Amino acid sequence: ILNVEQSPQSLHVQEGDSTNFTCSFPSSNFYALHWYRWETAKSPEALFVMTLNGDEKKKGRISATLNTKEGYSYLYIKGSQPEDSATYLCAFGAGDYKLSFGAGTTVTVRA
Amino acid sequence: DAGVTQSPTHLIKTRGQQVTLRCSPKSGHDTVSWYQQALGQGPQFIFQYYEEEERQRGNFPDRFSGHQFPNYSSELNVNALLLGDSALYLCASSLVDSNQPQHFGDGTRLSIL
Repeated sequence: ILNVEQSPQSLHVQEGDSTNFTCSFPSSNFYALHWYRWETAKSPEALFVMTLNGDEKKKGRISATLNTKEGYSYLYIKGSQPEDSATYLCAFGAGDYKLSFGAGTTVTVRA
Repeated sequence: DAGVTQSPTHLIKTRGQQVTLRCSPKSGHDTVSWYQQALGQGPQFIFQYYEEEERQRGNFPDRFSGHQFPNYSSELNVNALLLGDSALYLCASSLVDSNQPQHFGDGTRLSIL
């Protein structure tokens, strides 16, 4: 069983503030790291798939970085808005067609 | 362009019964994965189907089985239901490469009484 950990479990952010959180994964047998956003009453939505050490991806105000050698990825939200409230999941792929998900970081943006 | 659809939305069963959940992948996708999400946890990989074969399996007992049809739709079957099988079951479709993002359905909420 691959250990994928996300921290913190939850966080509250004031509207307009920026925030970031972490996904830790095994540093061996790395193939891909996925990020998904899961809003209440909706299905998980893919944000990024990252494959190379040092990769940086950006989608609007959300960006992510990847360090495969030390086994972590950061997700950043710049200028948080209420619509950013969601659970953010990361998933580690070792190239064996399985994705191992973390338990998620739940972000609540307060107006 | 229809996304991933799952049916039913909710299901209530009793211990020992059997259940079948269904999934239609996003148009153009050939790979279907199933996940179980228990309260407070991330989705746990059950198995993945490609070309009508189970390509990979997670740490789930043989009570969990599946099928993929020629039109790429898929079923998840669970026999001899246990209370611990109560969870949200998610289906995700993708293209065959593991580097491709997965597209999820809304899930089936299964409750075991």
